[in-house]
Amino acid sequence: ELKVEQNPLFLSMQEGKNYTIYCNYSTTSDRLYWYRQDPGKSLESLFVLLSNGAVKQEGRLMASLDTKARLSTLHITAAVHDLSATYFCAMDSNYQLIWGAGTKLIIKP
Amino acid sequence: DADVTQTPRNRITKTGKRIMLECSQTKGHDRMYWYRQDPGLGLRLIYYSFDVKDINKGEISDGYSVSRQAQAKFSLSLESAIPNQTALYFCATSDFGGNTIYFGEGSWLTVV
Repeated sequence: ELKVEQNPLFLSMQEGKNYTIYCNYSTTSDRLYWYRQDPGKSLESLFVLLSNGAVKQEGRLMASLDTKARLSTLHITAAVHDLSATYFCAMDSNYQLIWGAGTKLIIKP
Repeated sequence: DADVTQTPRNRITKTGKRIMLECSQTKGHDRMYWYRQDPGLGLRLIYYSFDVKDINKGEISDGYSVSRQAQAKFSLSLESAIPNQTALYFCATSDFGGNTIYFGEGSWLTVV
């Protein structure tokens, strides 16, 4: 069964702290995506990871991919309130995306 | 203008009614998708189309049908709506490489 599991599903943290969201997937995949969704809004592309060991960074967010472990991480450095959102990972399986359930991130001042 | 436009953005309909959600994109992409999002869940693929003559069922196609009227247009129909089809529906498009997927703003559908 094709599965993508994210954890945690809910995360409340203080501004200035670091944290990591984990995304495990069940089968080999050519690419792994990270998206952000604000409440009631569309999905915004953050990263696409294409190969083992890939690391991408944008501002306070850094994503990495370990295809051998079938694991991707999204690391948040020195969180700020504006990063509060729901974060989704998705794996590509024959051009279809299989999505995780999302991690709702709340960052408190 | 948005890259991917969905209409209607919100709709309340009654059980048994037929409803169509429309999607158009200005990216010039061949690939288009319809997803459904339920609270607390990720997106689930309903149908996808790689070009005008290529339409494929996704994970949850039962109760839905689609039409690809042109490269830029991909519509989703619920032939006989039922309450458990109440959800947020997203249309999306991507290029051949699929490196970036562009989503519409979503269509909230409530079936009462």
